Amino acid sequence: AQRVTQPEKLLSVFKGAPVELKCNYSYSGSPELFWYVQYSRQRLQLLLRHISRESIKGFTADLNKGETSFHLKKPFAQEEDSAMYYCALLLPSGGYQKVTFGTGTKLQVIP
Amino acid sequence: ETGVTQTPRHLVMGMTNKKSLKCEQHLGHNAMYWYKQSAKKPLELMFVYNFKEQTENNSVPSRFSPECPNSSHLFLHLHTLQPEDSALYLCASSQGLAGAQVAGELFFGEGSRLTVL
Repeated sequence: AQRVTQPEKLLSVFKGAPVELKCNYSYSGSPELFWYVQYSRQRLQLLLRHISRESIKGFTADLNKGETSFHLKKPFAQEEDSAMYYCALLLPSGGYQKVTFGTGTKLQVIP
Repeated sequence: ETGVTQTPRHLVMGMTNKKSLKCEQHLGHNAMYWYKQSAKKPLELMFVYNFKEQTENNSVPSRFSPECPNSSHLFLHLHTLQPEDSALYLCASSQGLAGAQVAGELFFGEGSRLTVL
């Protein structure tokens, strides 16, 4: 079954420390993976997608097919990074975006 | 308003009530989605409408009834719900894959927090 796993419910780091939010996936085809973020009192929104290999707000994520992972990283955490982060996998569908999400990891950056 | 708007933001209902959740998008998208977000569980896809046609029903109980009168509006009709149906219901919209500038990008509303007593 296609699945996304985020093993950590909560990750607390100090400001300025490196951040790594873990995501593993289970998918037999060629995956398209994403990270979504939800800041306090804001709506869920796309943070980045692996296919574009971009860096958004200092975050990067590399797809590792051998380890079936798509971990989200940032070298120096900022207080404003505190939020819920969801890893997501796009599944084949009939012309629409069928996205399956992980359970999410709450990132808490301690000042 | 721009983006995806959901009303009401909060709803409390008894198990015998009938109520509806509304979602409206002003982004010109052709696909709309209902997700359920419960504590400690992943976001669960409930229904998908693509060009007003229902294309996905993820084994959702019949006490949840979706309606999509046009590409901009999506409803979730609720009747005889159970306390375990209490959750945050999120609406989202997107372009279809063929016309999407960014594959996988869903645009979410702020959600309707439902409490069933």
